Parts: sequence; C-alpha cells; structure tokens
Amino acid sequence: QKEVEQDPGPLSVPEGAIVSLNCTYSNSAFQYFMWYRQYSRKGPELLMYTYSSGNKEDGRFTAQVDKSSKYISLFIRDSQPSDSATYLCAMKGNQGGKLIFGQGTELSVKP
Amino acid sequence: GAVVSQHPSRVICKSGTSVKIECRSLDFQATTMFWYRQFPKQSLMLMATSNEGSKATYEQGVEKDKFLINHASLTLSTLTVASAHPEDSSFYICSATWTGGTAYEQYFGPGTRLTVT
Repeated sequence: QKEVEQDPGPLSVPEGAIVSLNCTYSNSAFQYFMWYRQYSRKGPELLMYTYSSGNKEDGRFTAQVDKSSKYISLFIRDSQPSDSATYLCAMKGNQGGKLIFGQGTELSVKP
Repeated sequence: GAVVSQHPSRVICKSGTSVKIECRSLDFQATTMFWYRQFPKQSLMLMATSNEGSKATYEQGVEKDKFLINHASLTLSTLTVASAHPEDSSFYICSATWTGGTAYEQYFGPGTRLTVT
C-alpha cells in the first residue's frame, strides 16, 4: 500500500465548476499537508499548506485536512481554464522530514 | 519569492555519456537541496537529500555511484548522471529549503528533461 493515494484522473470539468481533489494517506505521523500545482513540463509550485487538521482558504482555493479519516481535500471554486494542470498532494511528518507526494490528479477545465 | 533555477532545461545525450544538471537558489541560501525524478504521469520520487558541505543521503534503491550529487555551496547543487542509459530518461527536478524557512517551504526548480538515446 502506498503511503499517499491520489486518483490520477484525468478530471475534466466545464469552466466555472467547483473542483474537488482528494488524497488519502496511511501514516498517522503526517502533520504537514501541502497541495502543489504542476503545469506541463514545469516544476511544482506550492498552492496551499495546512498544519495538522482544519481548513484553510485562499481566494478560490480551500484546503481541508481530516486527520481522523486520514483524508485531505483541495476545492477550487469558479474553476478557470488556467487552472488546468496536475495537482499533487504532499505531506510530511515533521519539519525535517521528507515530502511524500501523491501521484497527482490531472485536471482540465474546458472553456 | 524564493527562486530555484535548473540548467539545462532539456538535454539529449547518447547512451554511455555522463550528464551534469545544475540546481541554483537565486535569492536565498539553500541549506538543504533535494533531487527528485518524475516519470510521465507519475509522482515525484525523491532520489536524494543533500546538505551543503556534506555527503548526500540517497533513498533506497537509488545508485549513488550512478547519480552523483555535489552540494558544494549554499546556492549550488549538481546532479551528475554517470554513463547514462535510455532507462535514465526522465524529468529531474530539484528543490531547496533554507534554515530561515518554515516546514512547508520547499521551493522547486523548473526541472530538466533528460533523454538518453
């Protein structure tokens, strides 16, 4: 079993839709949860970061962490074609630990 | 924001040759740099972690004699793929952190696409 599971998609939605991206994990020691966006042939860029459980909102993006269920989500409201990319969840157990990435979900937002 | 660059962005080489990839932190001192490998439609796999001035720590299954990492300064780390073969063709991405940053602040370079013919 992989430490982090993420549905690779692809996921295709119309412009303006609400997108829900999810990851599950098995390691209860994970404390730091990140979402990265990666455009084709580019390096990942950090979108959202959450420490421990809870919600965090930044513009059209909301990140949720449910440690009891070992489940994290990223919601994108009013999705735009420019949101088309691969979204990777990542997590780590402590400040010095290594990041464990999910497989990434490929998202396509159609105009 | 913190910027990490990689050079070259793309390299094509013949089987058996060695290839060096540079990773630079442009506006901060990177105490730790990471090297990842990514196959098409797959996730990032950590290859090694390097701290400035010390030997890199390789992940299980990564050949340290094949993937040579040097972190000679606080702004530069290099990955050399020795005697590259077609199965080494991949997207290589570096990232960097700094002592003044927080736990989540890992800045990624744009990646280097290696094709071995």
